[in-house]
Amino acid sequence: EDKVVQSPLSLVVHEGDTVTLNCSYEVTNFRSLLWYKQEKKAPTFLFMLTSSGIEKKSGRLSSILDKKELSSILNITATQTGDSAIYLCAVEGRGDYKLSFGAGTTVTVRA
Amino acid sequence: NAGVTQTPKFQVLKTGQSMTLQCAQDMNHNSMYWYRQDPGMGLRLIYYSASEGTTDKGEVPNGYNVSRLNKREFSLRLESAAPSQTSVYFCATTGQINSPLHFGNGTRLTVT
Repeated sequence: EDKVVQSPLSLVVHEGDTVTLNCSYEVTNFRSLLWYKQEKKAPTFLFMLTSSGIEKKSGRLSSILDKKELSSILNITATQTGDSAIYLCAVEGRGDYKLSFGAGTTVTVRA
Repeated sequence: NAGVTQTPKFQVLKTGQSMTLQCAQDMNHNSMYWYRQDPGMGLRLIYYSASEGTTDKGEVPNGYNVSRLNKREFSLRLESAAPSQTSVYFCATTGQINSPLHFGNGTRLTVT
C-alpha cells in the first residue's frame, strides 16, 4: 500500500519567516507527487512534480522532488498571513488512477 | 462554469439512517473520486471511478456504496450511518492520469 508521511504536522511562524515542509513517500512505480493548499474548503492545486531535481516555482512558493531520497520539500518564503493553511502532499503510482495523501502540515502565520 | 458541485453542504444523521451524497461535474472529466477527511489523517480514498461504467474500492470503502450514474455524476451512499462516518467528504475529478485533481467544496456530515 502506498504511504505518504508529512512533517512537521504543524508549525507556527511570524510574517516574513521562511518555512520548509517535508514529504516522504513509498509508492509502487512512482509517477508523480503533488502539493495542495487547503484553506477553509476544497484543496487547491499548487505543484505537480515528476522529475528529480527540477524546482517548480510560483511566486513565493517553490518545490523540488528527490527521487533518490523518495521525498519532496515545499518552501514558502516571506510568509504572509494568507499562507495560513493545511498543505497536503499526495503521490500517484503508474497505471494507478488514484492519489494517496499524507496527513498534511498545518501552517499558521502570525502577524 | 461550476466545476465540481457537491450537495448537500451539511448534513446531520442519526445512527442507522441512510443518505446519498451527490457530486456533479461539468469539466468533461473521465475519472471521479470520493475522499473523506478527518483531523490528523489527511484525505483517504473511499471509492473511485476511472471512467463511466466502472467503480473501484479505495482505502476505506466499508460502509459505503457508489454509483457512477453517467459521465457527470458520481454519488456516494451510506446505507446505515455510524458515528465513525462523521467526517468531511470531498468529491474530486481528473481528466486523465497524471493530471491534478479538482475538488468540490465538501459535505460536512455528522452522525449522532
